[in-house]
Amino acid sequence: NAGVTQTPKFQVLKTGQSMTLQCAQDMNHEYMSWYRQDPGMGLRLIHYSVGAGITDQGEVPNGYNVSRSTTEDFPLRLLSAAPSQTSVYFCASSYSSGGYDNEQFFGPGTRLTVL
Amino acid sequence: LAKTTQPISMDSYEGQEVNITCSHNNIATNDYITWYQQFPSQGPRFIIQGYKTKVTNEVASLFIPADRKSSTLSLPRVSLSDTAVYYCLVGAAINSGSARQLTFGSGTQLTVLP
Repeated sequence: NAGVTQTPKFQVLKTGQSMTLQCAQDMNHEYMSWYRQDPGMGLRLIHYSVGAGITDQGEVPNGYNVSRSTTEDFPLRLLSAAPSQTSVYFCASSYSSGGYDNEQFFGPGTRLTVL
Repeated sequence: LAKTTQPISMDSYEGQEVNITCSHNNIATNDYITWYQQFPSQGPRFIIQGYKTKVTNEVASLFIPADRKSSTLSLPRVSLSDTAVYYCLVGAAINSGSARQLTFGSGTQLTVLP
């Protein structure tokens, strides 16, 4: 298994540009999520999905869109990039079974700089 | 959301046992306590999870008192490679029907010295 993969690893955007961060997992996990991590800070949840066709907002959703058309993929779209979105973005996935806060598997991250 | 409080940083020496305590006064009945480890330029990695009493796996132990308002991650005999940020998370089961928002907080920077 490749686990959770993210592309690209690095990206530089200009203010106002749009782009999509890709996330894929091959573990047949139902739950997927996107976090951002600013320097010296913890991770903050942007959006999450409990299954194909179902998404919901996390703590900091503004400026980002997500969709979940398949179990494997969970892309994150930046609609109009702003310098405040400069961060490292992590995608994560986990099983979605009752009774446990299941272990999340994280991707390697995408380092995004918005000029 | 249950908020967690951890020390910002801790130093230890190789071979020592390290205990990192997390405070979560507003933990809900169906919340679990989970610890993650993060190395620089990597995503967090699951260490251990528990609901009450004590949980032990091959890398750590988790101690949770009866009132569940705090928890302690114990790392036995740390090595230099254990230098990382450790996060304590409190959250509900994924399909509990409620919004699933785990808060990572700022974590504890553990530095293991030779």
